[in-house]
Amino acid sequence: NAGVMQNPRHLVRRRGQEARLRCSPMKGHSHVYWYRQLPEEGLKFMVYLQKENIIDESGMPKERFSAEFPKEGPSILRIQQVVRGDSAAYFCASSNRDSTSYEQYFGPGTRLTVT
Amino acid sequence: AQTVTQSQPEMSVQEAETVTLSCTYDTSESDYYLFWYKQPPSRQMILVIRQEAYKQQNATENRFSVNFQKAAKSFSLKISDSQLGDAAMYFCAYRSLYGNKLVFGAGTILRVKS
Repeated sequence: NAGVMQNPRHLVRRRGQEARLRCSPMKGHSHVYWYRQLPEEGLKFMVYLQKENIIDESGMPKERFSAEFPKEGPSILRIQQVVRGDSAAYFCASSNRDSTSYEQYFGPGTRLTVT
Repeated sequence: AQTVTQSQPEMSVQEAETVTLSCTYDTSESDYYLFWYKQPPSRQMILVIRQEAYKQQNATENRFSVNFQKAAKSFSLKISDSQLGDAAMYFCAYRSLYGNKLVFGAGTILRVKS
């Protein structure tokens, strides 16, 4: 059973460009979570999605950031007009939420560097 | 809002010895989950151990065990017989019973000396 896949693993963007981060959940999982890890810090929740629905985006910056999880294909985290402060590791996790004891399984992360 | 505090930025342990990493949290909820995650240099987040707040018994996974003190809101991780492969950043995390998100502490770097 393949784990959570994220690509690319490393992404370099110049200021003002767009960054697209992809996440394929584990097989059988229909719930996806995005977290951001700034240097020397813990992970911070950004957004929780189910197929075709954003359930909780309380941790998402109001501007430039968007996320989707279409019926077919991976979840996408999009950052428009990137700035140096967006440089971080972005982690995706997935779960199936069959019960309250669901686990979130993490992908290897995408390290975004804005130059 | 819930918060998680890890007061030890860095810890060291000699190979084969035992080390305890501290974690405290703040919540007004009575039912929740607590986790310890390991992040090695590869940056992959690996679940080490999980504790359900309604369970009195402390969770154990091989060389890893927790000391869960609900009244004190404390959740420490004990690593016995430390190995070089245990060297990593360790994060304590909280999730509400029906919650969507994990709330992480700032992490503790564990160094293992041979």
